[in-house]
Amino acid sequence: GAGVSQSPRYKVAKRGQDVALRCDPISGHVSLFWYQQALGQGPEFLTYFQNEAQLDKSGLPSDRFFAERPEGSVSTLKIQRTQQEDSAVYLCASSLASGGTDTQYFGPGTRLTVL
Amino acid sequence: GENVEQHPSTLSVQEGDSAVIKCTYSDSASNYFPWYKQELGKRPQLIIDIRSNVGEKKDQRIAVTLNKTAKHFSLHITETQPEDSAVYFCAASLGRGSTLGRLYFGRGTQLTVWP
Repeated sequence: GAGVSQSPRYKVAKRGQDVALRCDPISGHVSLFWYQQALGQGPEFLTYFQNEAQLDKSGLPSDRFFAERPEGSVSTLKIQRTQQEDSAVYLCASSLASGGTDTQYFGPGTRLTVL
Repeated sequence: GENVEQHPSTLSVQEGDSAVIKCTYSDSASNYFPWYKQELGKRPQLIIDIRSNVGEKKDQRIAVTLNKTAKHFSLHITETQPEDSAVYFCAASLGRGSTLGRLYFGRGTQLTVWP
């Protein structure tokens, strides 16, 4: 079946622009995570959704970052007034349930470059 | 929160040799430990995982061991092949808190297998 998909795969933004990154999880998956992966580093947690509820946004680095999942499926991560330090790969992952030990399936990521 | 440390950061082996990557974690409440393989420009893919009620798990050439007392876990790859070359990430997930399933990643190990 179809895995997690993300779009766009690459995004170049000028400093100060707003960007929106989309994640399509595996159909029926309850949990959705966003991670940020800087070059040469492991992914770092940004935020978590259980269905449409955003239960944890403690990893969002500033109030310029906003995420939503209004119908409990597709999710969008929005970054306002982008800064150079926002350059990274943004990964989305989904898992079937909310139990905590379910396999997380990752999307291919969106590579954001802020000039 | 949880802190996961991973060693070594780079590992080179000859084809056919074994490779071992080690990780430690800080929070004794962690109960799920997946390992991901990430090829350049690709999504992280789960290769094996272990839960805290098990000490060892094996899948063909890949095995993971967990020592809960010492809070460390290791990935073992036997009979390495050039296609095993990639970055490997260990991760840990807490069994409590508002975000069950949030993964805390190590910084990764670049494995190179020489033919």
